[in-house]
Amino acid sequence: QQQVKQSPQSLIVQKGGISIINCAYENTAFDYFPWYQQFPGKGPALLIAIRPDVSEKKEGRFTISFNKSAKQFSLHIMDSQPGDSATYFCAASSKETSGSRLTFGEGTQLTVNP
Amino acid sequence: NAGVMQNPRHLVRRRGQEARLRCSPMKGHSHVYWYRQLPEEGLKFMVYLQKENIIDESGMPKERFSAEFPKEGPSILRIQQVVRGDSAAYFCASSPRNWEGEAFFGQGTRLTVV
Repeated sequence: QQQVKQSPQSLIVQKGGISIINCAYENTAFDYFPWYQQFPGKGPALLIAIRPDVSEKKEGRFTISFNKSAKQFSLHIMDSQPGDSATYFCAASSKETSGSRLTFGEGTQLTVNP
Repeated sequence: NAGVMQNPRHLVRRRGQEARLRCSPMKGHSHVYWYRQLPEEGLKFMVYLQKENIIDESGMPKERFSAEFPKEGPSILRIQQVVRGDSAAYFCASSPRNWEGEAFFGQGTRLTVV
C-alpha cells in the first residue's frame, strides 16, 4: 500500500530530446506528488510537485502529468540538457500519515549526452 | 536563510562503535525527518520528529537505532554498535510548522563502517 514504483531505472537521452520518467502508486490516500533531483554527493532537491486536483503542472522545461484513475504520474523534461544529468526520484505523501513523510520511488539515473 | 545543515558530511566508524549524526533544520521549521539511502537505491523513511517528540518511528530498525530532537539544539540520529550494513547516506529533511507537503533536504551524512 505504501509503495511507489518508478521506471525506467536508467535513461539516456540526446541533448535537446525529451526525457520521460514514470511512477505508479498504490495508496489512494496519497495527495501530494513531488519530484526530486539529486546530483552525486548532494541531497535531493525539490524540482516540481503536483496535487491530485490537477492533471498537469508545468514549470519551465519540467512538466508533471498526473492520472488519478490509473494512479500514475510522470515527469517530462523538454529540451534535455547535459546539466540535467542526475538521479530523479518521484515521491508521494499523504496528510493521513505523518506530516510531510515521503515514500520514494527507486530512482532514475538520467544521462543527457551532448 | 540557511538550509538544512547536517554534520558531519562523512563519518567513518569501526564495527561496534557508535555513530552520531546531527541535523539542524531550516529556520522556522519544527518538523524533522530522517531517511536512509543505500547505494544505488532510493530513500527510505526512518523517523519523524517534532521538538521533544517522536511522531513516527515506523521506519527505524528495532535495535541499535535511536533519534531525538531536543528543545534546544539539533536533531540527533544515533546508531549504536554499527555494522557494515549500516554503511549508507543518511539524509535529514525539515518542513514548516504548517504542513504544505514540501520537505527540504540536507546534504546528507555518508557513513562508512569498516
